[in-house]
Amino acid sequence: ETGVTQTPRHLVMGMTNKKSLKCEQHLGHNAMYWYKQSAKKPLELMFVYSLEERVENNSVPSRFSPECPNSSHLFLHLHTLQPEDSALYLCASSQDGSGNYEQYFGPGTRLTVT
Amino acid sequence: SQQGEEDPQALSIQEGENATMNCSYKTSINNLQWYRQNSGRGLVHLILIRSNEREKHSGRLRVTLDTSKKSSSLLITASRAADTASYFCATDQGGSYIPTFGRGTSLIVHP
Repeated sequence: ETGVTQTPRHLVMGMTNKKSLKCEQHLGHNAMYWYKQSAKKPLELMFVYSLEERVENNSVPSRFSPECPNSSHLFLHLHTLQPEDSALYLCASSQDGSGNYEQYFGPGTRLTVT
Repeated sequence: SQQGEEDPQALSIQEGENATMNCSYKTSINNLQWYRQNSGRGLVHLILIRSNEREKHSGRLRVTLDTSKKSSSLLITASRAADTASYFCATDQGGSYIPTFGRGTSLIVHP
């Protein structure tokens, strides 16, 4: 138990669906991250929030829309996804976004797009 | 572009043996971190080593950093079957922190 929870753990959705992934951290951290992990590929950073402001967007398609309403919660809204978006989506948090502290990861959401 | 690259891609050893995996990177860094991931799960932080440090220990783990060679190594001593996992290094870009992970080393420890 890392103090970072993600829901749902598994999600199957069609290409026309709209769904949201949720992440919550109970560590009092100020930075939160979304990563995508596909088979045979390095972990890809998608979004970084520091003090609820987006500080990094790694050229992610607009069909992925993040939301950070407060420092404890992070959402990833999904719409009109493609089969190649099937992957493990990981949320992480750290004390701040300076890079001087370790990241704590949630268990991930396994997403399958049909 | 990818900053850290782990080597080897896969490692298979017997319980009790030591396991060594390496990470090479391209640009200067502020710190380097090692993580472990069990199959299909989230990553767990192991050790953070800063650019002015050369070696750190945590239990059976030993991490070294050679900034002149832009490389780091993770040594797991007296390995156990429970150490079976993928191991990743993560580096920043030196200046602004954009964590970049490698493809990882898949370690299998046979009981």
